[in-house]
Amino acid sequence: SQQGEEDPQALSIQEGENATMNCSYKTSINNLQWYRQNSGRGLVHLILIRSNEREKHSGRLRVTLDTSKKSSSLLITASRAADTASYFCATDTQIQGAQKLVFGQGTRLTINP
Amino acid sequence: DGGITQSPKYLFRKEGQNVTLSCEQNLNHDAMYWYRQDPGQGLRLIYYSQIVNDFQKGDIAEGYSVSREKKESFPLTVTSAQKNPTAFYLCASSIDQYTRGSNQPQHFGDGTRLSIL
Repeated sequence: SQQGEEDPQALSIQEGENATMNCSYKTSINNLQWYRQNSGRGLVHLILIRSNEREKHSGRLRVTLDTSKKSSSLLITASRAADTASYFCATDTQIQGAQKLVFGQGTRLTINP
Repeated sequence: DGGITQSPKYLFRKEGQNVTLSCEQNLNHDAMYWYRQDPGQGLRLIYYSQIVNDFQKGDIAEGYSVSREKKESFPLTVTSAQKNPTAFYLCASSIDQYTRGSNQPQHFGDGTRLSIL
């Protein structure tokens, strides 16, 4: 079952602008992860935020987590054409020690030059 | 370079045929996973394996089978019982959470695209 819902489903912005994507989930989590997928390729891990963290940065990426609202956001600042990809949030609902990620349906981001 | 290799990149299945997708990793990861991705959708978990000779069903295991005879390898067989096999299949691995603690990212291969002839 899909736990995460992402918003918007598609986003198109000009190069240099900031892009914000949102993710909502339903059950309690250990952590929430963001991944990027270029067309026809596998997923690349971007950033992991633990349930006891509220904000995390990595380069041009900023992730926030609000466990009371069961939501997270990914901000990409100063976007570049190379940021064009689909972005997925995934929640870690640990079962019997094996990590079981539940993915959202993704946001398709297009950066226009 | 360490990583995950999936082969083939493209695969075609005939009616009534079983096909096997290969996944090999040299990251020394204990846990491995198979996901299915349909167009415009997120990933759904088919099977996962925490250690050698052990694996568990995910959310959509019907019509699929796996084996884990070696730490490095986790092949997926799409059987003839899977009536809608056309999809993009992704293999992933991660450090075992029992030994290294939780909060580990997954590392993905570049996928196999399966179509019906």
